[in-house]
Amino acid sequence: GAVVSQHPSRVICKSGTSVKIECRSLDFQATTMFWYRQFPKKSLMLMATSNEGSKATYEQGVEKDKFLINHASLTLSTLTVTSAHPEDSSFYICSARVGSSGRVYQETQYFGPGTRLLVL
Amino acid sequence: DQQVKQNSPSLSVQEGRISILNCDYTNSMFDYFLWYKKYPAEGPTFLISISSIKDKNEDGRFTVFLNKSAKHLSLHIVPSQPGDSAVYFCAAATDSWGKLQFGAGTQVVVTP
Repeated sequence: GAVVSQHPSRVICKSGTSVKIECRSLDFQATTMFWYRQFPKKSLMLMATSNEGSKATYEQGVEKDKFLINHASLTLSTLTVTSAHPEDSSFYICSARVGSSGRVYQETQYFGPGTRLLVL
Repeated sequence: DQQVKQNSPSLSVQEGRISILNCDYTNSMFDYFLWYKKYPAEGPTFLISISSIKDKNEDGRFTVFLNKSAKHLSLHIVPSQPGDSAVYFCAAATDSWGKLQFGAGTQVVVTP
């Protein structure tokens, strides 16, 4: 199946600093990428949807100035957590969508392994 | 407000037996349901899905059952194998192109 990578897998930073997380589709081009956030023992929550070359669409309650998303190419999307605070500590996971190829949308969404962010 | 709920955070089952994972939802507009499997340090991978026009979908050892009136679906794994030990997420969408709403996951441990 299609492979999605994330870098870094784990990051610890000081409060007030910014952190960039990369999401790459390794063997396919992804016109759409998604960013999720997961708190311990909670579900994956969609933060935003990004399409290559256009602005990301953020879910209600997600601060777009806080979580900057750039989808500069068909294989790379980045999430920057600006001025991170301890409450931003979470597990961030991206996914990328392959072209439909006759299959329904959700089945062609491939997830990265996630990035664990700890803000001290 | 969590629209998809997996009330059992963990499940332990003996190898060869049936694993039954449950998922409840509150949004009656959900029309498409999926199960994902996640190993440690890896992202979730698609396992099986079902649309609301069906009440059962089978793929090898995996069967998903949907009870729309009860807003409940379940995943059956028969027979369970050690490699099935993973976290299983239930997800739902309002149509085959809609955004996914996830449950919190159920950790399955298959013991020898």
